[in-house]
Amino acid sequence: EVKLVQSGGGLVHPGGSLRLSCGVSGFSVSNNYVTWVRQAPGKGPEWVSIIYTAGSTYYADSVLGRFSISRDEMKNTVSLQMNSLRGDDTAIYYCVRLMAYDETGKYRGYFQNWGQGDLVIVSS
Amino acid sequence: QSVVTQESALSVSPGGTVTLTCALSSDSVSTGYYPSWYQQSPGQPPRTLVHTTVTRASGVPDRFSGSILGTRATLTITGAQADDEADYYCALHLGSGIWMFGGGTKLTVL
Repeated sequence: EVKLVQSGGGLVHPGGSLRLSCGVSGFSVSNNYVTWVRQAPGKGPEWVSIIYTAGSTYYADSVLGRFSISRDEMKNTVSLQMNSLRGDDTAIYYCVRLMAYDETGKYRGYFQNWGQGDLVIVSS
Repeated sequence: QSVVTQESALSVSPGGTVTLTCALSSDSVSTGYYPSWYQQSPGQPPRTLVHTTVTRASGVPDRFSGSILGTRATLTITGAQADDEADYYCALHLGSGIWMFGGGTKLTVL
């Protein structure tokens, strides 16, 4: 069974930092694409970042230069380091496994397994 | 910057059919954008309904179907049920490691 268990959210002041963690079971983070998606209160989801199997990373323009995604293959975890936080970063953050290539090698590119979400509030 | 647009709200009668659409400001939506659809109930993470334009995720009833209609991706619910009342989001892979979600459609079944 695939599980993504998130931790690290909370209240932080503007300009502060926070590190979100995503503990994975049921698949290896080294062989899968893992993303972060956030959802501000009352809004739709917003894709934030992704780490590919080869280690390449990509970011939404809104977080580029402030957020950093990484993985620990030994612990089978993915993390999101968030710096210079702003009020508009307030959201529920989801760790999500992206289904890239299926068993036939066909590209799928969809958000397959979602963590439970972790609330980040940026406020003074 | 591209924007993904969905109807903000739609309603459907129980047993009726409704089509939700997903448009891209900078281009026609095609299968090459790998459109996917998600259903979200209050307090829950999104649930995958349809991916790769037309493929239903495991366990999703066949009353949900995806397609491309003209320049948009569509999600059609045929024979709507009360528990289909939820928020629906589409997502597109814009390439170069970038994905984008639509603003969502709030579906009311009444």
